[in-house]
Amino acid sequence: GAVVSQHPSRVICKSGTSVKIECRSLDFQATTMFWYRQFPKQSLMLMATSNEGSKATYEQGVEKDKFLINHASLTLSTLTVTSAHPEDSSFYICSAHHWTSGDLRDPGEQFFGPGTRLTVL
Amino acid sequence: AQRVTQPEKLLSVFKGAPVELKCNYSYSGSPELFWYVQYSRQRLQLLLRHISRESIKGFTADLNKGETSFHLKKPFAQEEDSAMYYCALSLVIQGAQKLVFGQGTRLTINP
Repeated sequence: GAVVSQHPSRVICKSGTSVKIECRSLDFQATTMFWYRQFPKQSLMLMATSNEGSKATYEQGVEKDKFLINHASLTLSTLTVTSAHPEDSSFYICSAHHWTSGDLRDPGEQFFGPGTRLTVL
Repeated sequence: AQRVTQPEKLLSVFKGAPVELKCNYSYSGSPELFWYVQYSRQRLQLLLRHISRESIKGFTADLNKGETSFHLKKPFAQEEDSAMYYCALSLVIQGAQKLVFGQGTRLTINP
């Protein structure tokens, strides 16, 4: 259980266009999802926290108008890269938070999607 | 500021040798720490968490609050352990868990 999918797995677009990436929790509901960016041979950098039914919380330095996040349901969050430029090319990974036990002391766990490779020409 | 440091970008050991991947953290609160693993062409997946105090695939990690460390250890490395390993610190901000990742260590097990 606890599977997270992302679509598309790979996308190539022209500079100036917008690209939408979907993140779905397939077998659980997630009130909180996260979007990360990973540059080649580097670690995951948290971009924003996506909360169902409310505005996303962006990390410092991440442009909210550039990276639009929508979390309209308990199983779907979307990241839209608006007016994409070559420097936006990266590997984007989402995760969904799941409370895996009934223990209040348990912080739960994040389950990760397979990632989306974005290339902007 | 919260930070996770993995001092080794690359680590190479021979099959059957012991492995230790280092992780140090900086956090003023009570830490919740995780190790994630990413095998070649696969998604990031949880390896173990300090709260569970369990051994997964022969790996263990002990939280040392005095040294602010959470090193990952395995007594006898196997070739299938070759992967990218990330240490992560969990923070709870406004009721939501947030992970801060270390830079990662690429572990290669030589036959």
